[in-house]
Amino acid sequence: GAGVSQSPSNKVTEKGKDVELRCDPISGHTALYWYRQRLGQGLEFLIYFQGNSAPDKSGLPSDRFSAERTGESVSTLTIQRTQQEDSAVYLCASSWGQTIYEQYFGPGTRLTVT
Amino acid sequence: QQPVQSPQAVILREGEDAVINCSSSKALYSVHWYRQKHGEAPVFLMILLKGGEQKGHEKISASFNEKKQQSSLYLTASQLSYSGTYFCGTGVVSGNTPLVFGKGTRLSVIA
Repeated sequence: GAGVSQSPSNKVTEKGKDVELRCDPISGHTALYWYRQRLGQGLEFLIYFQGNSAPDKSGLPSDRFSAERTGESVSTLTIQRTQQEDSAVYLCASSWGQTIYEQYFGPGTRLTVT
Repeated sequence: QQPVQSPQAVILREGEDAVINCSSSKALYSVHWYRQKHGEAPVFLMILLKGGEQKGHEKISASFNEKKQQSSLYLTASQLSYSGTYFCGTGVVSGNTPLVFGKGTRLSVIA
């Protein structure tokens, strides 16, 4: 079956521009997560959606970052006025239900801010 | 707080064993282990829940010591395909939750 997909796979942008990153979770997965991975580092939580509940935005590093999710499907992560420190791989993951399940990761979007 | 993984890196010859540790200063409910190959998405290995259970997956198994807030991943008779970076992700509540990941352990298996 189809896994988590993300687009674009690579994005190069100039400092100060806005970018949108897209995530298509596995069909039926109600939970969706965004993580950021800087070079050589672990995964850093950004935002979490669970069904129709209010998202957990506690990991967003600044108000330049925002995310939306349409129902239990596609999610978009938006970074406004990008900075060089935003350069990283942005990973999306999804999982079943509300009890603990494994998170399935997408291939990520590599963002480079020049 | 980010869990601490050790060692940071290890090199093995095929057939050798390795142990990767993950320690947290917080009371944990779950520990998740993932392997990530260069340029690829992390791939799920296993989840361990509060209760100190041990789980196995082929020649890869793990334990969770609730009293020490520590999990260990055991790789036995390593294969070339085991190479990659291993991450532990920790959860502190019983439901689905964003994970706090360690910095990873880079494992290289050579022939």
